[in-house]
Amino acid sequence: EVKLLESGGGLVQPGGSLRLSCAASGFTFTDFYMSWIRQPPGKAPEWLDVIRNKANGFTTEYNPSVKGRFTISRDNTQNILYLQMNTLRTEDTAIYYCARGLPGYSVSDYWGQGVMVTVSS
Amino acid sequence: DIVMTQSPSSLAVSAGETVTLNCKSSQNLLYSGNQKNYLAWYQQKPGQSPKLLIYWASTRQSGVPDRFIGSGSGTDFTLTITTVQAEDLAIYYCQQYYDTPFTFGSGTKLEMK
Repeated sequence: EVKLLESGGGLVQPGGSLRLSCAASGFTFTDFYMSWIRQPPGKAPEWLDVIRNKANGFTTEYNPSVKGRFTISRDNTQNILYLQMNTLRTEDTAIYYCARGLPGYSVSDYWGQGVMVTVSS
Repeated sequence: DIVMTQSPSSLAVSAGETVTLNCKSSQNLLYSGNQKNYLAWYQQKPGQSPKLLIYWASTRQSGVPDRFIGSGSGTDFTLTITTVQAEDLAIYYCQQYYDTPFTFGSGTKLEMK
């Protein structure tokens, strides 16, 4: 059974940093693209980034809205996906989901339960 | 960025009805190299994560009931739900994965009459 479990959310002040983790299980982690997607309360989801699979060199792409502030990475020995978030702004307040992509694509077939990040003074 | 526009924003239905949700993209999502439309539909129930229903515009994800039907090509897409059931009440989002940043529509909320 595919499982994705996010952790690391919480309250942070504007300008602060936070690192989210997503523990993956139930599938061969290195075979799949992984993404972070966020959803502000009451709004539509926003795709943030993707880290591709081993066959595609674990390359990354970012939404310009977070490029330069957020970094996606993966620990392929422990099957953990990370999102390092720096210089956080109030508009970064949202539920953050990690999601698995269909083989070779960024369509998210499994999502975690999400973790809340609140940026406020 | 590719802009995804969904209509209507909300829809009130009765159980057993057939409903049609619309999604329009600002750019063509049909890739000529493989003749596939890079368009997905998700369902999100209150307090839950989004769930993939349809990808490649018309391919049903494993386990999704066949009353969910995706269609369309290019820039205009439709999700049809035949014989709506109470459990289908949710917000439905379309998403393009043709080009980064992959973008979602603002959603259609399906409510009970």
